[in-house]
Amino acid sequence: GAGVSQSPSNKVTEKGKDVELRCDPISGHTALYWYRQSLGQGLEFLIYFQGNSAPDKSGLPSDRFSAERTGGSVSTLTIQRTQQEDSAVYLCASSLAGTVSPLHFGNGTRLTVT
Amino acid sequence: GESVGLHLPTLSVQEGDNSIINCAYSNSASDYFIWYKQESGKGPQFIIDIRSNMDKRQGQRVTVLLNKTVKHLSLQIAATQPGDSAVYFCAEIPNSGNTPLVFGKGTRLSVIA
Repeated sequence: GAGVSQSPSNKVTEKGKDVELRCDPISGHTALYWYRQSLGQGLEFLIYFQGNSAPDKSGLPSDRFSAERTGGSVSTLTIQRTQQEDSAVYLCASSLAGTVSPLHFGNGTRLTVT
Repeated sequence: GESVGLHLPTLSVQEGDNSIINCAYSNSASDYFIWYKQESGKGPQFIIDIRSNMDKRQGQRVTVLLNKTVKHLSLQIAATQPGDSAVYFCAEIPNSGNTPLVFGKGTRLSVIA
């Protein structure tokens, strides 16, 4: 596949449980982003990886949120001790050369915390 | 703080008419702008971008206009089709360099057949 792939597409979890969301970026893209989109809202920036540089974590809403990017490719967003307000669509995007090139988004993971 | 916003949250147009979606930005230092289209259940899809050294850029049936004087961005869609129905987001890079895109809240475009 040529696009950004995210898994799972849907995740339902109980409050207090941990979840992991996965993103496979487009091959060769050096930059990877996580955004969150609540129902009917815009995109909220979470975290940004660029090559081997330290990630920009300025958008993470709390220390329950963390993300890794292994080998400059696949990324995992982890939410610990999930809360109901974490329910949203989590979108991953990648780009060829950082923020001054277009982002290509996956279809997201819809997370529902019950 | 700096923000990207939209003038109209919803827009309904007749099939075949032209659509204009507007966006205001507040950071005069922004130098890169992108329009995205998001269909239900999908991630945002890149439509067209423009850099601050331009005031107009055309794609296939779409045109983006940038007015830096009043910090205004618009997306024009010619001969709107039912497949154009979606939510449209403008996004900006608030500072030149290594900062992530800031997205506006979106405008829903509904095409009436």
